[in-house]
Amino acid sequence: AQSVTQLDSHVSVSEGTPVLLRCNYSSSYSPSLFWYVQHPNKGLQLLLKYTSAATLVKGINGFEAEFKKSETSFHLTKPSAHMSDAAEYFCVVSALNRDDKIIFGKGTRLHILP
Amino acid sequence: DAGVTQSPTHLIKTRGQHVTLRCSPISGHKSVSWYQQVLGQGPQFIFQYYEKEERGRGNFPDRFSARQFPNYSSELNVNALLLGDSALYLCASRINSIGPYEQYFGPGTRLTVT
Repeated sequence: AQSVTQLDSHVSVSEGTPVLLRCNYSSSYSPSLFWYVQHPNKGLQLLLKYTSAATLVKGINGFEAEFKKSETSFHLTKPSAHMSDAAEYFCVVSALNRDDKIIFGKGTRLHILP
Repeated sequence: DAGVTQSPTHLIKTRGQHVTLRCSPISGHKSVSWYQQVLGQGPQFIFQYYEKEERGRGNFPDRFSARQFPNYSSELNVNALLLGDSALYLCASRINSIGPYEQYFGPGTRLTVT
């Protein structure tokens, strides 16, 4: 079984400052982990994925995430926030080599302050 | 290339009625998943199908059912609609139901139950 916890429901940062969105997961199997972004009234877009290769994963729009097995974490970061980053972000876990549920976190709303 | 398509875009139904939602995956994708996203929350996993077989089921009542056709398109059926079924229903496709494959999401069907 899988579960995922996004530790912050809202995060506010100033434009140009670093972004950190936190995600902890639990999985009975080797996990696949993903971050998706959902802009208002837009569809879900994949930012990046971890699937047992490199633990530091680079995604689109300057986002990165690091898989830390010992901490069961997969936090999303970006060095410098842009106004266009304001959106809802979802951490997702599934089993890499097994049919099972695909679990979304409850989401983190990122606010960018001018 | 066409992305994941869903129909209809919007739907209004009355309590107790039945609804069918449709999804066409990206060409070459054999797995389709369905999610329910209530306003302000993360998507909740309903089903995953691969090669016409159910490969995962979330915690939804038996009023929810789905099927996948030989062309890999899919239908989600909901019987005896309740007010609480009002939500955005998302369909996602991916190449396979297991392995390091990300999901691609359609725009969703907005269901309102009155």
